[in-house]
Amino acid sequence: QSALTQPASVSGSPGQSITISCTGTRSDIGAYNYVSWLQQHPDQAPKVIIFDVSHRPSGVSDRFSGSKSGNTASLTISGLQAEDEADYYCTSYTGSSTVVFGGGTKLTVL
Amino acid sequence: QLQLQESGPGLVQPSETLSLTCTVSGGSISRSTFFWGWIRQPPGKGLEWIGSISYSESTYYNPSLRSRVTISVEKSKNQFSLRLTSVTAADTAVYYCVRHVFLSGLDFNSWGQGTLVTVSS
Repeated sequence: QSALTQPASVSGSPGQSITISCTGTRSDIGAYNYVSWLQQHPDQAPKVIIFDVSHRPSGVSDRFSGSKSGNTASLTISGLQAEDEADYYCTSYTGSSTVVFGGGTKLTVL
Repeated sequence: QLQLQESGPGLVQPSETLSLTCTVSGGSISRSTFFWGWIRQPPGKGLEWIGSISYSESTYYNPSLRSRVTISVEKSKNQFSLRLTSVTAADTAVYYCVRHVFLSGLDFNSWGQGTLVTVSS
């Protein structure tokens, strides 16, 4: 199984909105609405911020939103804040009953 | 509140077997419809799913690791474990145990703090 494709890095200024893309195939993102996004700050365990494409766990800011079109999922962060600077990973269920991750995107808040 | 805690050797010799245990507190493995899994992260790199097990002990593994991996559950101790055989330096990573929704969704909703395992002689 191939990893999902994410941009290595994105950046934005406080208050702006950014979008991180995650491209898969018809066998994973394109086939199921089972895409999650994880946020990882340095030296911390990852934390889920979006599950099943667009659902936010309780306690996660509504500035985070997720969507999907075809084989590509997207994470949008609006009203960017300094605390959003972190690594972001997408992950998807696949048709082989397995899980595949993206390579991760480093978000820099300028 | 659910808590997961990894434990095991921090150093493993090449060609040997890596063994880790995840102790779950604040919830029962055996009365849960969640899955229990392992994810690893080599230093400075991204996340890799290793595999998962259900409360009924159905297992699912990353195809690239399947020949070397075994995940099992010890319900009486509320623990689940990872065994990875024939390790090499490429298996050096922080290993996380997780609870997650699987097959009917995907939600890695609880994580252990992670434990660094170094493969070196």
